[in-house]
Amino acid sequence: AQSVTQPDIHITVSEGASLELRCNYSYGATPYLFWYVQSPGQGLQLLLKYFSGDTLVQGIKGFEAKFKRSQSSFNLRKPSVHWSDAAEYFCAVCDNYGQNFVFGPGTRLSVLP
Amino acid sequence: DTAVSQTPKYLVTQMGNDKSIKCEQNLGHDTMYWYKQDSKKFLKIMFSYNNKELIINETVPNRFSPKSPDKAHLNLHINSLELGDSAVYFCASSQVGLAVYEQYFGPGTRLTVT
Repeated sequence: AQSVTQPDIHITVSEGASLELRCNYSYGATPYLFWYVQSPGQGLQLLLKYFSGDTLVQGIKGFEAKFKRSQSSFNLRKPSVHWSDAAEYFCAVCDNYGQNFVFGPGTRLSVLP
Repeated sequence: DTAVSQTPKYLVTQMGNDKSIKCEQNLGHDTMYWYKQDSKKFLKIMFSYNNKELIINETVPNRFSPKSPDKAHLNLHINSLELGDSAVYFCASSQVGLAVYEQYFGPGTRLTVT
């Protein structure tokens, strides 16, 4: 069965600084990977996804993620964080049939002015 | 033109009561899900329905029962509510049949059991 870990429970960065949120997965084959963002009191919004092809994927709101098979990682990055990026970020994985969708525990991002 | 909608947004009720949460999606997706998010923000899948057929049923109490009258709706009925049921419940949908696996989420229903 798939599993996802997000090593950082809480990260604080200054506005304008770069950001990297870590995600590691466990799955026997090439997984389908996702990053979601949840603003306070809101539902989850898809930021980006990886199925195959180019290992650097671009998403909405200036986010990108890098898939590294050798490290079983799918880290989320943003060159310059905005105050509105403060939220909870979830990494998720599903199998090749779109089943068994598993979310990581989330990383809370705080942004200092 | 909300893609995935849930009602109600907030639900406060007493232990022992029975309640339902409704979910509708207008994306034409073939699969719908219910998730429970606890106070630590951990998301756990409870059920999924594909073309009105239950395909995943995690180890949730049988007090919880999903009901899908049609492909666009997946309601969650909860019997004999307990304090531990307090959480935020999210509905989601995806188009598994066309290999569009990303899930689209509703705004959530915050359930408080007193």
